[in-house]
Amino acid sequence: DAGVTQSPTHLIKTRGQQVTLRCSPKSGHDTVSWYQQALGQGPQFIFQYYEEEERQRGNFPDRFSGHQFPNYSSELNVNALLLGDSALYLCASSLAGGLGYTFGSGTRLTVV
Amino acid sequence: GENVEQHPSTLSVQEGDSAVIKCTYSDSASNYFPWYKQELGKRPQLIIDIRSNVGEKKDQRIAVTLNKTAKHFSLHITETQPEDSAVYFCAASPKAAGNKLTFGGGTRVLVKP
Repeated sequence: DAGVTQSPTHLIKTRGQQVTLRCSPKSGHDTVSWYQQALGQGPQFIFQYYEEEERQRGNFPDRFSGHQFPNYSSELNVNALLLGDSALYLCASSLAGGLGYTFGSGTRLTVV
Repeated sequence: GENVEQHPSTLSVQEGDSAVIKCTYSDSASNYFPWYKQELGKRPQLIIDIRSNVGEKKDQRIAVTLNKTAKHFSLHITETQPEDSAVYFCAASPKAAGNKLTFGGGTRVLVKP
């Protein structure tokens, strides 16, 4: 049973560039949430997608956007990258009405 | 919004001793409290969770207690082993089913053999 898969695993970008991160949820899950985890800190909620719509959003600027596809996979896009966007980006999937999350291994983004 | 504080930030224990991590939350609407273990370079993994209609839950060497009145919950690990060394995160959510989690800042646990 495939868990949550994220790609790429590591990424280095330059300030001002744009990046797209991808997530495939665990089989049977229909909801995808994205978190940013800065070094030494707890994950911070970015947003959540269900039925191809953004359902909830955390305290992140509009530079962070997302998408969910009909097969439940999701993308996280970040525009105009800042040095402070360097972090581990975690995707978590869940089943609407179910319990808990399954996290992916994350994408380590470094902005230079 | 919800705010979760976690203490201590680091915890060093001797193998076989117990470890306790405490969290407080601010939103009385929160009713789901999971704990995650994150080993270096790996994904957070759910180790135990509790709902607000339950005061305590155990799973082998791990237990979680919840005090709704005081808005705090704790993780207890007994008979610690070196493989328990990791960063532990508490979290709170106003809804168990796929709603957003607010995480604490994490506790780095080191179990010394």
